[in-house]
This record gives sequence, structure tokens and C-alpha cells, in this order.
Amino acid sequence: DGGITQSPKYLFRKEGQNVTLSCEQNLNHDAMYWYRQDPGQGLRLIYYSQIVNDFQKGDIAEGYSVSREKKESFPLTVTSAQKNPTAFYLCASSNRADTQYFGPGTRLTVL
Amino acid sequence: AQKVTQAQTEISVVEKEDVTLDCVYETRDTTYYLFWYKQPPSGELVFLIRRNSFDEQNEISGRYSWNFQKSTSSFNFTITASQVVDSAVYFCALSEDRNAGNMLTFGGGTRLMVKP
Repeated sequence: DGGITQSPKYLFRKEGQNVTLSCEQNLNHDAMYWYRQDPGQGLRLIYYSQIVNDFQKGDIAEGYSVSREKKESFPLTVTSAQKNPTAFYLCASSNRADTQYFGPGTRLTVL
Repeated sequence: AQKVTQAQTEISVVEKEDVTLDCVYETRDTTYYLFWYKQPPSGELVFLIRRNSFDEQNEISGRYSWNFQKSTSSFNFTITASQVVDSAVYFCALSEDRNAGNMLTFGGGTRLMVKP
């Protein structure tokens, strides 16, 4: 089945640790996106990538990093510089200028 | 700058009632796209509809209907004869510039609770 997968579903991080969230898609979409959702709020864009080996910062990129070495993969690293990383993280993909489709999300909790 | 406002944070209805979720947007572009997504308790966002700024026709899909009015910058969503399975958070979103990364601006969401 075509779709977007995110792993892990739940992730726990200790203070000062970097963690990497996985996002994979087999929809052959060119563009991929990372959003953060805090409780009771809408989604905010962290990073996006329109083609392989290229990505741009979104509205809240500080404390995060990404890579896009393959078309189907767009991992997000939450670094120790992110002061309040506890949130729900959603990955999406689209063909350029088309509808974004979302993965199931990863819930990150800082212990 | 683009902005999406969903003034209703929570709505509670009894099953079989009709319910309308409001969405008001701001944009300076003449070409833009409006979306509705559903987020059930599992967390995944489910795409419901995409409408471009040049198509003001209302759309109906089963129990769902959408009313797009450029004159009031609104894109409201109505669920007819609501069911318990409709309980979710619903997000309205706007994409303003097709050449600027196709980025979405989301409203804050409306939590719909349908009681049996």
C-alpha cells in the first residue's frame, strides 16, 4: 500500500539528548514537510524539502535539523538546543503545489 | 501575511444534529488553495477537501458539504446528520503561493464532540 510511515510512534528523550524521527513515503512525492503540534493547537511548519538534497526552514526551525538524501526519506533530528521539544510531530508529503498527505505522527516526550 | 481563524474551539452536538464548522482566512494573493483536514483521536490528519480560489461552487460529499464565499473570506464545513464517528478535531488550512514551497497555514482547529 502507498503511504507515509513515521517511526517510532512514541519516543522518550532525556534532557540534553538528540533524537531522530523517521519519515518515509512511497508515494513518489517530490516534497516533504515536518510539522509540530502542541496540545490544543494547530500545526506549525518546522522544515520542508521540495527536492532531494535541498530543504528550507519553516516558521519554527530553531533546535531542529533535517536531511533529504533520498526522495522517499526525510528524517527530523530534535537537538538539545530545542528547549521545549515535547509535542506531536507530523510528517507530510505532496507533489509540488498539490495536496499534502500526512503520516500517523510521532509523540515525543522529554523526561 | 496569510492567516486562518477557526473561532469555534469546541462544539458539542447530539447524534443526528447538523453542525457547521467556521473558517475565515486572510490572504493578499488572488491565487490560493483552501483545505479541510480531520484529525481523529489516533492523531493522523486525514485530507477531506481542497478548493482553489477560482472555484466558488459549493461541494457536497455524502454528509459533508462545504460553502466557499470569497466575499466574506470564509470556507465553512457542514456535517449533516452527525454521527459519533465524526468526533475529531477539524482543521482548516490555506496555501497561498504555489511557487513558495506549497506551505500550509493552519487554523487552530475545532474539536467536535458528537454524543450518542
